[in-house]
Amino acid sequence: GIQVEQSPPDLILQEGANSTLRCNFSDSVNNLQWFHQNPWGQLINLFYIPSGTKQNGRLSATTVATERYSLLYISSSQTTDSGVYFCAVIGGGADGLTFGKGTHLIIQP
Amino acid sequence: NAGVTQTPKFRVLKTGQSMTLLCAQDMNHEYMYWYRQDPGMGLRLIHYSVGEGTTAKGEVPDGYNVSRLKKQNFLLGLESAAPSQTSVYFCASSRFGLSTEAFFGQGTRLTVV
Repeated sequence: GIQVEQSPPDLILQEGANSTLRCNFSDSVNNLQWFHQNPWGQLINLFYIPSGTKQNGRLSATTVATERYSLLYISSSQTTDSGVYFCAVIGGGADGLTFGKGTHLIIQP
Repeated sequence: NAGVTQTPKFRVLKTGQSMTLLCAQDMNHEYMYWYRQDPGMGLRLIHYSVGEGTTAKGEVPDGYNVSRLKKQNFLLGLESAAPSQTSVYFCASSRFGLSTEAFFGQGTRLTVV
């Protein structure tokens, strides 16, 4: 099946810093989503972005499908941005989302 | 508009007991999914459904059964719970399958002792 690799696995930043999270995938995709899992375990939809660029406030994402990667940018980090960020894709003949192992982000005050 | 709602939120089972997890969505979505999340891992697909009356196996289906008798509901059953099934279970739905956004419930934390 399709492989999804996220980097870095862990990231610790000070409040106000910017960050870039990367998602590489091994096959062409029909669907790519970014999620934030907050400390209470809820999965929050950030972006549905199989290709192109989107922005939502301090967050933006870019997917370059032909090169099989996606980037999530977080600017001016806040402590509420802490949690795990997951990239998930549908591709390689799969019928549901395949998740990466996530990037664990800690924003310190 | 509640989105995707899972019942219960927490449960402790003894080995060998059975239980059913309920997922309900009010978005009139065709596709529904059950995932499990283990520590330090992303989510893995257990079973899914492409419409009322249909079910199909995902990546880790063993030990689970599912039913989709009504479009808005997707049930996940454990016939004889094992400690290896201790996990957080998430239900999701999407309007269609491959090219539409999926939305997740709040999760069910299940412990099998």
